[in-house]
Amino acid sequence: SQQGEEDPQALSIQEGENATMNCSYKTSINNLQWYRQNSGRGLVHLILIRSNEREKHSGRLRVTLDTSKKSSSLLITASRAADTASYFCRNSGGYQKVTFGTGTKLQVIP
Amino acid sequence: GAVVSQHPSWVICKSGTSVKIECRSLDFQATTMFWYRQFPKQSLMLMATSNEGSKATYEQGVEKDKFLINHASLTLSTLTVTSAHPEDSSFYICSATGQGGWSGGYTFGSGTRLTVV
Repeated sequence: SQQGEEDPQALSIQEGENATMNCSYKTSINNLQWYRQNSGRGLVHLILIRSNEREKHSGRLRVTLDTSKKSSSLLITASRAADTASYFCRNSGGYQKVTFGTGTKLQVIP
Repeated sequence: GAVVSQHPSWVICKSGTSVKIECRSLDFQATTMFWYRQFPKQSLMLMATSNEGSKATYEQGVEKDKFLINHASLTLSTLTVTSAHPEDSSFYICSATGQGGWSGGYTFGSGTRLTVV
């Protein structure tokens, strides 16, 4: 399954703080993707990290990948109220059935 | 419950022709349909969002005249790739949210692999 398991399930922080969420996966990896989903909206791709990469940055986002532990983390620095959303990870880019876990619901309090 | 049927599963077409992809919600009313595209070894990229009875909202960089989306009923949304070219070859997938039997979450279709030759 391409489904990742995110944790925590929910996270509430003050604006300006950093938010860290984790993802674990079960199968071998090609690449791992993080997506954001605002309530009632479609999934938006945030960042992709390949299996041979250990860390990747994009703006305020920092993603790490530990293939030995089959886990990844997403760090959002200096969070903003607009970052309030659900965050999902997904393993690989294959054409298997697309599924997602329940995600991490992040709430950033102004 | 909450099944989305996507058809066809794969299609090969000649350059310059148009291809229609259908997504049907079988046991719920799909009030909102999302269309994604995925190139090999890449992420799902949201193309557009359509609400039943309204014009679709396209993401930046997606040509609305090339990717025609129709969501005229609560059980059917279609994506038509017009005048397809080899660079349009990709995996297209829909997902739906809804009401009336919808159990929550975002239900994905099984995807359509389009190859333009």
